[in-house]
Amino acid sequence: QLQLQESGPGLVKPSETLSLTCTVSGGSISSSSYYWGWIRQPPGKGLEWIGSFYYSGSTYSNPSLRSRVTISGDTSKNQFSLKLSSVTAADTAVYYCARRTVTEGAFDIWGQGTTVIVSS
Amino acid sequence: QSVLTQPPSASGTPGQRVTISCSGSSSNIGSNTVNWYQQLPGTAPKLLIYSNNQRPSGVPDRFSGSKSGTSASLAISGLQSDDEADYYCAAWDDSLNGFWVFGGGTKLTVL
Repeated sequence: QLQLQESGPGLVKPSETLSLTCTVSGGSISSSSYYWGWIRQPPGKGLEWIGSFYYSGSTYSNPSLRSRVTISGDTSKNQFSLKLSSVTAADTAVYYCARRTVTEGAFDIWGQGTTVIVSS
Repeated sequence: QSVLTQPPSASGTPGQRVTISCSGSSSNIGSNTVNWYQQLPGTAPKLLIYSNNQRPSGVPDRFSGSKSGTSASLAISGLQSDDEADYYCAAWDDSLNGFWVFGGGTKLTVL
């Protein structure tokens, strides 16, 4: 059974870079059938797609975050990562990693989420 | 402000049928399929409906989706207390090189 697990610092200082990793178990990020994405949810608010990674190395990101987002994958560790630079308090959120199917185009499996607080 | 528009709240009594709307534009719902997610309190979102009206394995047939033009709807029949959750619609938007957009979410209360 496929599982995703986010990991990374829970506290990041303003202007620094937020770094998170999603470890995939029970499946491979090298599969051509899936994209691997990051989605966040600020406290009390809705969902916001951050970006996605494809096994070929292609990445896609939200235009509103594009200049600050880097998404990459490590097939040897079966992990993919998110880096968000120059963070502010507005980046405080629960960050989820999720698998998206190529054919159905839906995020069908999600990690449990990890809370990141931006504060000095 | 979310690209897709949902009512912030909805409610119903056990056994009732409720619908949640999701309004978009020609660049998202008008040209791509819609997915729906259910988020129970304190948990990660769960895929409820994909490709407008398809249910993943394990999702009861009480949940159904539809799409017309630039709007979509989620219907829940035979409402149960366990259905109390936040519901989000989502679609791919073809503008700005493409990106996923979500609705602001609808909090469903079972009275």
